[in-house]
Amino acid sequence: DAGVIQSPRHEVTEMGQEVTLRCKPISGHNSLFWYRQTMMRGLELLIYFNNNVPIDDSGMPEDRFSAKMPNASFSTLKIQPSEPRDSAVYFCASSFSGRARSDTQYFGPGTRLTVL
Amino acid sequence: GESVGLHLPTLSVQEGDNSIINCAYSNSASDYFIWYKQESGKGPQFIIDIRSNMDKRQGQRVTVLLNKTVKHLSLQIAATQPGDSAVYFCAYPRGYQKVTFGTGTKLQVIP
Repeated sequence: DAGVIQSPRHEVTEMGQEVTLRCKPISGHNSLFWYRQTMMRGLELLIYFNNNVPIDDSGMPEDRFSAKMPNASFSTLKIQPSEPRDSAVYFCASSFSGRARSDTQYFGPGTRLTVL
Repeated sequence: GESVGLHLPTLSVQEGDNSIINCAYSNSASDYFIWYKQESGKGPQFIIDIRSNMDKRQGQRVTVLLNKTVKHLSLQIAATQPGDSAVYFCAYPRGYQKVTFGTGTKLQVIP
């Protein structure tokens, strides 16, 4: 099992540019989570999906952030336009059913985003 | 509270000694707790969990203790090894699917 796959691993871009982060969850997992990690705020949940449907996007910081899950094996997190304060490590995680009390969330290696 | 902080608490332990990492929680209704390990450059990885009907659970070289009276959780690592160097997070469910992560504790193993 390859685990959760994220790409790119590192992204450096200039302010105002569009950034797209990609995630492939573990096969058979029905829930997918996007997190952001910074030193200031720690690990924050941005949005999560069940069966490809966005369930809760209350953690998405602004309208500049959007996420999609067109099928069970692929999700994207897009930032347009990007700003320096978006610099962080973005993690994707997946779990079998998403139940926080029974299903482990498996994290990908993260994408380190730097916005200049 | 939520996962915030400028500075991670750091625990330095000699290789071979036991490590104890602590976590306090505020919600007395919390009934399930998880410990994650995050190595440098990697995502958090599940270590062990415990439900509130237990006060102790053991895994391989790790033990989690839960004291519901004082709302305190600890992770004990026996015979700490260099590979244990990482940031350790306690976490608990918030609602049906969300998980709240603690601030984290950085464990440094001194060879």
